Amino acid sequence: NAGVTQTPKFQVLKTGQSMTLQCAQDMNHEYMSWYRQDPGMGLRLIHYSVGAGITDQGEVPNGYNVSRSTTEDFPLRLLSAAPSQTSVYFCASSTDWKAQSAQHFGDGTRLSIL
Amino acid sequence: DAKTTQPPSMDCAEGRAANLPCNHSTISGNEYVYWYRQIHSQGPQYIIHGLKNNETNEMASLIITEDRKSSTLILPHATLRDTAVYYCIVKGANTNAGKSTFGDGTTLTVKP
Repeated sequence: NAGVTQTPKFQVLKTGQSMTLQCAQDMNHEYMSWYRQDPGMGLRLIHYSVGAGITDQGEVPNGYNVSRSTTEDFPLRLLSAAPSQTSVYFCASSTDWKAQSAQHFGDGTRLSIL
Repeated sequence: DAKTTQPPSMDCAEGRAANLPCNHSTISGNEYVYWYRQIHSQGPQYIIHGLKNNETNEMASLIITEDRKSSTLILPHATLRDTAVYYCIVKGANTNAGKSTFGDGTTLTVKP
């Protein structure tokens, strides 16, 4: 049981490049979400999904797109990378969206935009 | 969701109990208190959660005051590996999991 798997672990991009951060979970969780964490700060929600085919915006969605075609996968796309998007990105999943569902997090993708 | 207030940092001697407080004075009746921790460079890890009764698991105990306006996470015998940032979060029954707000948390340093 791998839990939540994020790839790649590290990535360096040039300004204007695009890329996709991958997130996969093998726990059959309905709920998945993406956070970013800047140095010395807490996590901020980017986008989330309550199930396959359903996504919504979080606190800081600008510059990012998501899709949820399967229960297992929830990729995050950077359309045109900017230095302000340099951060550590965490993907999380939980059984459902309800109050009693604890979140399981991946180990993160460390992204640097030059 | 109710906001939470935590001290920015705390120290604890190895082998002693670590008591981490959290204030959530605006909590409503259907909101749960969750604790997560983040060890350096890793993803956050779920520790424990509760509604109004005290809870205990293999990692920690959660004590919630009778008025539910505050709670304390207790690590009974802290080790050096418990050094981490601890986040207290309040999450409601009608609020989706992804909208849990992770504030700045408490940095716990366990010292030999």
